[in-house]
Amino acid sequence: EVQLVQSGAEVKKPGESLKISCKGSGYSFTSYWIGWVRQMPGKGLEWMGIIYPGDSDTRYSPSFQGQVTISADKSISTAYLQWSSLKASDTAMYYCARFDSREGLFDYWGQGTLVTVSS
Amino acid sequence: QTVVTQEPSLTVSPGGTVTLTCASSTGAVTSGYYPNWFQQKPGQAPRALIYSTSNKHSWTPARFSGSLLGGKAALTLSGVQPEDEAEYYCLLYYGGAQRWVFGGGTKLTVL
Repeated sequence: EVQLVQSGAEVKKPGESLKISCKGSGYSFTSYWIGWVRQMPGKGLEWMGIIYPGDSDTRYSPSFQGQVTISADKSISTAYLQWSSLKASDTAMYYCARFDSREGLFDYWGQGTLVTVSS
Repeated sequence: QTVVTQEPSLTVSPGGTVTLTCASSTGAVTSGYYPNWFQQKPGQAPRALIYSTSNKHSWTPARFSGSLLGGKAALTLSGVQPEDEAEYYCLLYYGGAQRWVFGGGTKLTVL
């Protein structure tokens, strides 16, 4: 069974750093891309970026380039999304999703990680 | 800046048919944009419904179908059920920039 399991909710202060994770299981982690999606409170979905764990090829939305870093550790089948200095506006739910480039499809999603940034 | 536009809200009666559309600010949507559609209910993660314009996932109910319509990607629900009330998002691929862009979402009310 394919699963993406994300790390738990976080409460941080502005200026702090953070790294959240997305662990894949039930499939070949290095053969599919992992994308990250932001959903601010009461708002729509925003595509942030995507990584291919097989070779760490990474693409970012222009809106998020330089604001976050996407990485992966294929030895433990885990992708990451990290911030070096959080802002209150980073408060959101963050989802990871698996992408199959051969079929052009996003299929399995993580359960989401809620990040709250407040002083 | 690329913008993907969906109807903000639509209302449909149970058993009825409704079509949601997804337009790109860059011009007509084609199969090369690999349109994906997702359903999201309150408090839940999005669920994939359609990929590459018209292909269904193994879990996608038969009443959902995808197509291209008048230069837009479209999601049609036929025989709408009360449980179809949700937010629906499209996602398009912009190959030149190698990135994806979500539409703003359509809130579907079944009434």
